[in-house]
Amino acid sequence: SSELTQDPAVSVALGQTVRITCQGDSLRSYYASWYQQKPGQAPVLVIYGKNNRPSGIPDRFSGSSSGNTASLTITGAQAEDEADYYCNSRDSGGNLPAVFGGGTQLTVL
Amino acid sequence: EVQLLESGGGLVQPGGSLRLSCAASGFTFSSYDMSWVRQSPGKGLEWVSSITGRGGSIYYADSVKGRFTISRDNSKNTLYLQMNSLRAEDTAVYYCAKVDGYNFAGRRNLVFDYWGQGTLVTVSS
Repeated sequence: SSELTQDPAVSVALGQTVRITCQGDSLRSYYASWYQQKPGQAPVLVIYGKNNRPSGIPDRFSGSSSGNTASLTITGAQAEDEADYYCNSRDSGGNLPAVFGGGTQLTVL
Repeated sequence: EVQLLESGGGLVQPGGSLRLSCAASGFTFSSYDMSWVRQSPGKGLEWVSSITGRGGSIYYADSVKGRFTISRDNSKNTLYLQMNSLRAEDTAVYYCAKVDGYNFAGRRNLVFDYWGQGTLVTVSS
């Protein structure tokens, strides 16, 4: 079982705002990173750290964190944002480099 | 441009072995940690193993510890994953990923900033 918990599925109307959350004890000590994965493709990093976007990621993607919960927000969701989203951090003890959340399937209506 | 190209996947019988390779380019390979992450059909991402830039520290998920061995050849810019005693539950697409790190409040955060396209490993009789 994953140490990071995500809702399995979320939907959003085209152009509206959606928040995808990730909960886990490790998030009290480490930042979450967020990855977008479309069918048949490799994951792509979209947010890391406090709220950093790699080059080429649209600014409608943003991240935040509070306590044991990290959030990925898409402001003005587009059809191309429909994908699976995974959060990731170190394990709660910091002994292992990584653990992933179970993923959230985002549907843009 | 960072590129990661996995190879070595295929069909193997339970109990068999396979060696995956990941050829890296576009960055100073020896300066970065590298990892393997897998994804079983229809399932989520699972971290498998990581190795530091010079190979001095290695980490494994409990699910593969004692069966898989990660290694790297910095002279060839290549990452490896030797997989032994394979089981049906090891069936997955295996991705190699470059790891970047940053410090915050005295803690080392890690992020998988680049991924390969993956190689499929199928364990079946």
